[in-house]
Amino acid sequence: DTAVSQTPKYLVTQMGNDKSIKCEQNLGHDTMYWYKQDSKKFLKIMFSYNNKELIINETVPNRFSPKSPDKAHLNLHINSLELGDSAVYFCASSQDYTGTEAFFGQGTRLTVV
Amino acid sequence: DQQVKQNSPSLSVQEGRISILNCDYTNSMFDYFLWYKKYPAEGPTFLISISSIKDKNEDGRFTVFLNKSAKHLSLHIVPSQPGDSAVYFCAASSGGTNAGKSTFGDGTTLTVKP
Repeated sequence: DTAVSQTPKYLVTQMGNDKSIKCEQNLGHDTMYWYKQDSKKFLKIMFSYNNKELIINETVPNRFSPKSPDKAHLNLHINSLELGDSAVYFCASSQDYTGTEAFFGQGTRLTVV
Repeated sequence: DQQVKQNSPSLSVQEGRISILNCDYTNSMFDYFLWYKKYPAEGPTFLISISSIKDKNEDGRFTVFLNKSAKHLSLHIVPSQPGDSAVYFCAASSGGTNAGKSTFGDGTTLTVKP
């Protein structure tokens, strides 16, 4: 039973397209996150939602828009994809927003061509 | 500004020996530290954490040491096993409005040779 699942696992798309990555957690956690792992392997937080409310919004282009329909889901929509958006995107969840351990999904490798 | 650094990109040890992975941080507001382990094509998995009020936390073969004055933490794995071969990330977070915003290091690839 997968705790944090994200789909798709791989996504190849052309520049200028709009795409979405879905994430669901079945752990009953209140907080969910999106992280980006770039080519230098750094994991950087992009967004965090707590009970469907946005609580962390790092310096991310407006083309990235997270949506949390309920606390078990946090989707990431990306408009007008650019080459530099190519990365691995990880969804994660934690029991609350106090910085305790996060449970990560398997990642979505996005390649923009 | 890289606030969490893992200066050794890779580490190779023999099975049964100790593995020591190091992490340095610059932000004195960090008060909670975590180690994650990551296998290829998988997401990071939480390993062990330590609060700034402690200087050591142990869980089985894994021990994390925190030296606040030096802004340094280390993860000791003993004895090391081939299954421990993975990328290890240290992460740090602070309280208040930044709670939950973990800042990650860039990882150390550990290889444990049989």
